[in-house]
Amino acid sequence: AQSVAQPEDQVNVAEGNPLTVKCTYSVSGNPYLFWYVQYPNRGLQFLLKYITGDNLVKGSYGFEAEFNKSQTSFHLKKPSALVSDSALYFCAVLGANDYKLSFGAGTTVTVRA
Amino acid sequence: DAGVIQSPRHEVTEMGQEVTLRCKPISGHNSLFWYRQTMMRGLELLIYFNNNVPIDDSGMPEDRFSAKMPNASFSTLKIQPSEPRDSAVYFCASSFQGQNYGYTFGSGTRLTVV
Repeated sequence: AQSVAQPEDQVNVAEGNPLTVKCTYSVSGNPYLFWYVQYPNRGLQFLLKYITGDNLVKGSYGFEAEFNKSQTSFHLKKPSALVSDSALYFCAVLGANDYKLSFGAGTTVTVRA
Repeated sequence: DAGVIQSPRHEVTEMGQEVTLRCKPISGHNSLFWYRQTMMRGLELLIYFNNNVPIDDSGMPEDRFSAKMPNASFSTLKIQPSEPRDSAVYFCASSFQGQNYGYTFGSGTRLTVV
């Protein structure tokens, strides 16, 4: 069975500082990995995905994530956080032969001015 | 494309009443998912349709919940009778199976059962 762990319930950073949201996964075979962001009272919005190829994936709003197969991680990063990045972030994994995305519990990011 | 469209955005109903949530997936997508989001349980997959056929309903909490997809452009999630513990945000998502592009989510229906 596939699963995702987001070890931090909350991440707090100052505006302008780097932001990292951690994610580790467990899946049989090659993983497809995703990050979604949820703003208050909104649905989940796709940020970026890793399917194959370059381990560093760039996505929307200046976010990027690095796939590390040996550590089974897919951490989300942004070099300089904005107050508007404050939201709930979900990591998700899909097995190569599966249809069902498995989501982590989510990490609440708060960026203070 | 208008994305995944859900209605209503908010629903307040009394315990015991029937509630119907609606979803229009993205045209061309052949997979549809219903999720429930609560503070306690996070995101829970309720049911998955592929080509309008229910494939996995193991997440449907009990017989009070039912879902249908009569055609490729419409799905409903019904709760009858509703209970206060059903209060949550219900999301519909669609995707094109085989492309592994992930899901596109609707804006959700916030259900409050009083």
